[in-house]
Amino acid sequence: QKEVEQDPGPLSVPEGAIVSLNCTYSNSAFQYFMWYRQYSRKGPELLMYTYSSGNKEDGRFTAQVDKSSKYISLFIRDSQPSDSATYLCAMTPGGYNQGGKLIFGQGTELSVKP
Amino acid sequence: NAGVTQTPKFRVLKTGQSMTLLCAQDMNHEYMYWYRQDPGMGLRLIHYSVGEGTTAKGEVPDGYNVSRLKKQNFLLGLESAAPSQTSVYFCASSGGADTQYFGPGTRLTVL
Repeated sequence: QKEVEQDPGPLSVPEGAIVSLNCTYSNSAFQYFMWYRQYSRKGPELLMYTYSSGNKEDGRFTAQVDKSSKYISLFIRDSQPSDSATYLCAMTPGGYNQGGKLIFGQGTELSVKP
Repeated sequence: NAGVTQTPKFRVLKTGQSMTLLCAQDMNHEYMYWYRQDPGMGLRLIHYSVGEGTTAKGEVPDGYNVSRLKKQNFLLGLESAAPSQTSVYFCASSGGADTQYFGPGTRLTVL
């Protein structure tokens, strides 16, 4: 079993839809949670960063962390064609003894149709 | 401020040839990483460095070597390329124990 599980999709939605992307994990030591967005043939870019449990909102994007269920989500409201990309979750226990290593999900490919 | 840059962007090698991929960052980050990304496999860590002069193995280190002679540079070497090393290679850097910033990638094909 992988430490981090993410449905690879692909996920196709109409423009304006609410999108929910999810990851589950098994390591209860994870404390820092990130979502990266990767456009085709580009490097991943940091989209959202959350420490411990709770919600964080940035414009149309909301990241949720439920540590009790070992489950994280990314919601995209009013989705746009420009949101079409692969979304990767990443997490780490933190702490310098970890070498800053992140554990990534497989990535979910999202397509938003006009 | 260029962030993380990678050289070259594309490369085609024949089996058995060697090459070096260069990663440079201008954010004064201590930590640097090399990943490979393959369809259906996600990002896999090859090697990483927690400071100048240090290197450590990641998840898939076999067939690769690295060096971090300068804080801003992290080199990934392939001594004898194999078709299984055909992939997209990403470098990343981090100033702390969590968030990483990625370069644009190098597309390598080994024939």
